[in-house]
Amino acid sequence: AQSVTQPDIHITVSEGASLELRCNYSYGATPYLFWYVQSPGQGLQLLLKYFSGDTLVQGIKGFEAEFKRSQSSFNLRKPSVHWSDAAEYFCAVGDSGGGADGLTFGKGTHLIIQP
Amino acid sequence: DTAVSQTPKYLVTQMGNDKSIKCEQNLGHDTMYWYKQDSKKFLKIMFSYNNKELIINETVPNRFSPKSPDKAHLNLHINSLELGDSAVYFCASSPAGAGELFFGEGSRLTVL
Repeated sequence: AQSVTQPDIHITVSEGASLELRCNYSYGATPYLFWYVQSPGQGLQLLLKYFSGDTLVQGIKGFEAEFKRSQSSFNLRKPSVHWSDAAEYFCAVGDSGGGADGLTFGKGTHLIIQP
Repeated sequence: DTAVSQTPKYLVTQMGNDKSIKCEQNLGHDTMYWYKQDSKKFLKIMFSYNNKELIINETVPNRFSPKSPDKAHLNLHINSLELGDSAVYFCASSPAGAGELFFGEGSRLTVL
């Protein structure tokens, strides 16, 4: 069965500092990998996704993530965070067969931005 | 235009009542889902439908009954509500074979 681990429940970063959120997955084949962001009281918005090809993927709002098969990781990065980045971040894995199985989500990382 | 819309956004009700949440997507997607997000923000799939056919039915009490009248709509009916049903319920859709989910804004259910 597929699973996703986000080891950090909370992360606090100063505004303007760099950010890295960790994600490790367990999946038998080549996975589809996603990062979503959830602002308070909102739904989930897709930041970026990896299906195949270049292992460094660019997303919206200045985020990027790198797929490392050897480490089963898909960490999210941003060079300089803004106060508006404070939110809950979810890593997710999906079936590369593209069926109707949906996505399996990690438990989320709550990002706090210090002024 | 809202791509995936859910109603109501907030629902407060007493234990034992029956309630429904409606979901509609205007993206032309074939697959729709219900996810439950608990108080710790954990997201767990409940159901998925592909072209009105039930595909996934996770270990969910049979008090929860999804219904898909057409591929653009997926409703969730909950009977005999319990305190533990309090959560945010998210509807989502995806195009065939794409994996990516498009989420609604969620319906926060509070059972008193």
